Amino acid sequence: GENVEQHPSTLSVQEGDSAVIKCTYSDSASNYFPWYKQELGKRPQLIIDIRSNVGEKKDQRIAVTLNKTAKHFSLHITETQPEDSAVYFCASFNFGNEKLTFGTGTRLTIIP
Amino acid sequence: DTEVTQTPKHLVMGMTNKKSLKCEQHMGHRAMYWYKQKAKKPPELMFVYSYEKLSINESVPSRFSPECPNSSLLNLHLHALQPEDSALYLCASSRGTGGNQPQHFGDGTRLSIL
Repeated sequence: GENVEQHPSTLSVQEGDSAVIKCTYSDSASNYFPWYKQELGKRPQLIIDIRSNVGEKKDQRIAVTLNKTAKHFSLHITETQPEDSAVYFCASFNFGNEKLTFGTGTRLTIIP
Repeated sequence: DTEVTQTPKHLVMGMTNKKSLKCEQHMGHRAMYWYKQKAKKPPELMFVYSYEKLSINESVPSRFSPECPNSSLLNLHLHALQPEDSALYLCASSRGTGGNQPQHFGDGTRLSIL
């Protein structure tokens, strides 16, 4: 089955700096890659997603890039703010088995 | 605002009890999901319903029994659970199960088994 690796597991960034989280997937049948933000005690919230026919997508301070050849995708957060502190999960949707597989998560802490 | 509503928010039950978790969405989505999330771990898929039919069961023990009475409702019936079943149970929905369909999560039910 699909395996999604996510790095780093923890990340501390000074407020105003950028944060980058990287994921790698294993199955070339995966074609949709969402990112979720989960604050403590709350639900996973979709923040951005990218489809396999697109290389980059941006939404204000958040951007996602996809390298299909290398099976890598990354989340970039610029001008970080304290409210960006949360656990971020990447995920990979496999077209073959129609399952969403999550990465292990990155705990992002923004230092004021 | 959460568009997927789960009840109850918290549930404490003994190992011999029978209880149900409920999930409701009014977005017209035709796919609904149950996930289990342990602390500091990602959500793990349990069941998928597509057009009110069970399409995926991730080898979940029979003490968990899903039900989809209609396209807006999803239940998870619990019976004879074990302490290791204590977790956050998340419901999600999407327009369909095909690719490119974002899944939207509810706030979850935090379940504790005594």
